[in-house]
Amino acid sequence: AAGVIQSPRHLIKEKRETATLKCYPIPRHDTVYWYQQGPGQDPQFLISFYEKMQSDKGSIPDRFSAQQFSDYHSELNMSSLELGDSALYFCASSRVKGLAGGEQYFGPGTRLTVT
Amino acid sequence: DAKTTQPPSMDCAEGRAANLPCNHSTISGNEYVYWYRQIHSQGPQYIIHGLKNNETNEMASLIITEDRKSSTLILPHATLRDTAVYYCIVRVANYKLSFGAGTTVTVRA
Repeated sequence: AAGVIQSPRHLIKEKRETATLKCYPIPRHDTVYWYQQGPGQDPQFLISFYEKMQSDKGSIPDRFSAQQFSDYHSELNMSSLELGDSALYFCASSRVKGLAGGEQYFGPGTRLTVT
Repeated sequence: DAKTTQPPSMDCAEGRAANLPCNHSTISGNEYVYWYRQIHSQGPQYIIHGLKNNETNEMASLIITEDRKSSTLILPHATLRDTAVYYCIVRVANYKLSFGAGTTVTVRA
């Protein structure tokens, strides 16, 4: 079965640079979520999109922005990178099912290292 | 989202059933119980979810108490590949996941 695709898998950037992470959801999934997982921490929700509109926002820094495109893929743009942005970034996708679920399926993640 | 409480760690013998408890005493009527697991640095993996009835799929069984204040995830025959952090999350449908401190399960040969 098709899974969530994330690219790149690994990214090394220097402080103050920019980075763009991409997420390709499972076909026919209409919702994308982004999560950040710092070293030794649990995943934390950043932002989500439903049908190309932002649906929810978590603890996402103002330096980060994201969008979902007409083909449902999503990009997370990160500017003025800081050392503390080094983390695993996961994308998850789901299909809205009314009141009965919407389980999320996660990609393999992008490991961002800021030096 | 309702807060959940899980034991920090648990050991299990290979081939035996693993029973993972979760307390969610403040769960609301429209919140589901979801279980995910994360094998070292991989993307979290969906296991199972339920509202009030017990559920079973190819990976696990979910037992929810009648008052819905607690639940148990059962891995029927644990293997070494089941070693992971297991997260119990309560949420309304189609909403973000709030990961708390899960249970680190170590399956031993």
